[in-house]
Amino acid sequence: AQRVTQPEKLLSVFKGAPVELKCNYSYSGSPELFWYVQYSRQRLQLLLRHISRESIKGFTADLNKGETSFHLKKPFAQEEDSAMYYCALLNAGGTSYGKLTFGQGTILTVHP
Amino acid sequence: DAGVIQSPRHEVTEMGQEVTLRCKPISGHDYLFWYRQTMMRGLELLIYFNNNVPIDDSGMPEDRFSAKMPNASFSTLKIQPSEPRDSAVYFCASRPGRHRENNEQFFGPGTRLTVL
Repeated sequence: AQRVTQPEKLLSVFKGAPVELKCNYSYSGSPELFWYVQYSRQRLQLLLRHISRESIKGFTADLNKGETSFHLKKPFAQEEDSAMYYCALLNAGGTSYGKLTFGQGTILTVHP
Repeated sequence: DAGVIQSPRHEVTEMGQEVTLRCKPISGHDYLFWYRQTMMRGLELLIYFNNNVPIDDSGMPEDRFSAKMPNASFSTLKIQPSEPRDSAVYFCASRPGRHRENNEQFFGPGTRLTVL
């Protein structure tokens, strides 16, 4: 069964500090992973996906198949980064195609 | 495009009452998902549809929960009877069809349900 684990429910950093939100996954096939973000009073939205290899709002995430990880990183956190972050794994085959399995979420707070 | 639309945005009801949550997906999207979000359990998939057909309802907590999608532009999630432990934010999401570049899900604003 596929599983996504975000070990930290809460993460606090100061503005300008580096931040890393951890995500580990379990999946038997070729994984496709995403980071979604939910800012206060806004809907959940896609932040980035690993196949795009892009940097969004200064965030990057590298898929490490050896460690089955997809950690989200930013070198210098900003106060506006404060939000709930979800790591998600796509089921890309079989009868459950299209289903996303989400981690528990990490609430990031960036202090001034 | 207004995106995924959900109604109501807030619902307060008493234990034992029937609750119906509504969702209008983005036009042209083939998949529709219902999620529940709580502090304790995070974001859980309840059920999802492909072309109006339920594909996976393994996340539906129990028989008190039911979901329908009578057409491509409307879905409902019903709880009958409601219980205080059903209090949560319920999200609807939709996504386009089965292509690698279309794997993003688009979420609605959610319905905050409080069962007293």
